[in-house]
Amino acid sequence: SQQGEEDPQALSIQEGENATMNCSYKTSINNLQWYRQNSGRGLVHLILIRSNEREKHSGRLRVTLDTSKKSSSLLITASRAADTASYFCATDGGSGNTGKLIFGQGTTLQVKP
Amino acid sequence: NAGVMQNPRHLVRRRGQEARLRCSPMKGHSHVYWYRQLPEEGLKFMVYLQKENIIDESGMPKERFSAEFPKEGPSILRIQQVVRGDSAAYFCASSPLISSPRDGYTFGSGTRLTVV
Repeated sequence: SQQGEEDPQALSIQEGENATMNCSYKTSINNLQWYRQNSGRGLVHLILIRSNEREKHSGRLRVTLDTSKKSSSLLITASRAADTASYFCATDGGSGNTGKLIFGQGTTLQVKP
Repeated sequence: NAGVMQNPRHLVRRRGQEARLRCSPMKGHSHVYWYRQLPEEGLKFMVYLQKENIIDESGMPKERFSAEFPKEGPSILRIQQVVRGDSAAYFCASSPLISSPRDGYTFGSGTRLTVV
């Protein structure tokens, strides 16, 4: 299996509900990032959490990182229809210096109005 | 600030033709990364370039693929003698620093290559 695997693969919720996506990885990391991709578009950086951080917030986003379990979660609170997109986690694989991100397969989130 | 610009947005090529994908990094960014995304999959790293230098091409197929980032002009990803399996979305990202940037990487909107 690959570095940075997301779970679940697909998630469908009602507007206003919270959405939680999980990511597992295999190697050591310097940081882990979450990106959003709207259908047919490029990736938008959401949040970066460093290996010495456990939790980070940005607006309605909350990211946690557990380096002992090599896992991270992305929580989107009070979801909106506009949050419908694919969400990817990406790690630097411990390299830190090459810009070589290792992406997971992504979680497809559908928020129903 | 125009962001990372990629062109064309869509490219159709017949098998055996050449495909040239262009990426202009954000102003002030001197590091460019190319990724490929197959349908229903995540992005896969291909190559990392600085001006006039290939830093890491560990993700590039050994044959038919090449990349450059000249002193002047955009970065070019070139695919010779395309095959149907090359059909994918190709994304470019840029950053100003060699180490992990505080705010993540800036991606372009991608070029969707279709080989017919």
